[in-house]
Amino acid sequence: EIVLTQSPGTLSLSPGERATLSCRASQSVSSSYLAWYQQKPGQAPRLLIYAATSRATGIPDRFSGSGSGTDFTLTIGRLEPEDFAVYYCQQYGSSRGASFGPGTKVDIK
Amino acid sequence: DVQLLESGGGLVQPGESLRLSCAASGFTFSSHSMTWVRQAPGKGLEWVSTMSGSDDNTYYADSVQGRFTISRDNSKNTLYLQMNSLRAEDTAVYSCARGVKSAGIWYFDLWGRGTLVTVSS
Repeated sequence: EIVLTQSPGTLSLSPGERATLSCRASQSVSSSYLAWYQQKPGQAPRLLIYAATSRATGIPDRFSGSGSGTDFTLTIGRLEPEDFAVYYCQQYGSSRGASFGPGTKVDIK
Repeated sequence: DVQLLESGGGLVQPGESLRLSCAASGFTFSSHSMTWVRQAPGKGLEWVSTMSGSDDNTYYADSVQGRFTISRDNSKNTLYLQMNSLRAEDTAVYSCARGVKSAGIWYFDLWGRGTLVTVSS
């Protein structure tokens, strides 16, 4: 099983600031099969990024993903009020199963 | 509308069973793998199980292997999760999610709102 670790646990920022979220895997994620999701309270998760760097349909270009191997990053260029939420990374594509990171909460400073 | 709607959750005692359903609409159900993900109250997301759309392959998290069974009826556009020998730690909101391809475990581009399962005496 691939274990994902996310840091920081909480990121306190102001609207307009840049957010950098980290996701580290316990072993290499094959073919960069890594996704990022946003979840707001009481809502289902929303796909943001897949294959480490590709934005999902309808996702603003202030969201970007990077990384490969075991280290991945989600960057939010300039935080909008609606971006304050919890963000999860997920690895997939392994016959041994999928897994999610514990999440990073981005809250208003 | 393209959507997933879960049902079947409720309050059960430890050791009992429950079957969840996920009704899909607005897309070709058989062309997608389908997954159950759970979220304990105040906690993060946990992958539970995936079933391929095309070849009936199934995958389970270690925490539910041998107790839970995923299945699907493509003629009814419905995904199921049979949960046996339930434990207190299975308490969570269970959501179904659509994989982007028919085989294997992929990322999830459509999610349901979930159904709450509470295991307590």
